[in-house]
Amino acid sequence: NAGVTQTPKFQVLKTGQSMTLQCAQDMNHNSMYWYRQDPGMGLRLIYYSASEGTTDKGEVPNGYNVSRLNKREFSLRLESAAPSQTSVYFCASSLRGNTEAFFGQGTRLTVV
Amino acid sequence: QKEVEQNSGPLSVPEGAIASLNCTYSDRGSQSFFWYRQYSGKSPELIMFIYSNGDKEDGRFTAQLNKASQYVSLLIRDSQPSDSATYLCAVAIKAAGNKLTFGGGTRVLVKP
Repeated sequence: NAGVTQTPKFQVLKTGQSMTLQCAQDMNHNSMYWYRQDPGMGLRLIYYSASEGTTDKGEVPNGYNVSRLNKREFSLRLESAAPSQTSVYFCASSLRGNTEAFFGQGTRLTVV
Repeated sequence: QKEVEQNSGPLSVPEGAIASLNCTYSDRGSQSFFWYRQYSGKSPELIMFIYSNGDKEDGRFTAQLNKASQYVSLLIRDSQPSDSATYLCAVAIKAAGNKLTFGGGTRVLVKP
């Protein structure tokens, strides 16, 4: 049982480059999340999808876009990467918005 | 005021003692509360969830919820060096459509 799978695990980008972080879950969950975590800090919500076909901004959405491709997949896109987007990105999913969430293994992104 | 607040620590606890962690939240209507443990370089893993006022016990862990005072706490009994980690409090903020919002985390150090 894979749970939540994120790709890639590591990525180095140059300023201005674009990339998409992929996330897929096999638990038939309705809600999916993208967080970023900076050193010594907790998780900050970037975008949230309560169900297939819906997305909503979180605390730090600027510079990001998301796509809820289907019930399983929720991708995060950086259109023009900036050094301030250097962080660890976590995808998570939950059955509903008010139930426990399970996390992927994270993507460590460095923008130089 | 942050939606979910925790003392950043570090909380230093002798082996075998009780570690007590606290978390406060701002949205009085929130009903779902979670504790996660995160080891350095790893993704958060769920320890416990609690929905009702009072205590909930699971092994060496006890979660306590007081909705009137808007706080949730986690007790770790018989602390072990393997409990050394960052503990994240999360709340499904009802006023924000049940977005799962995290506190900054409390770092716990259990000393042999």
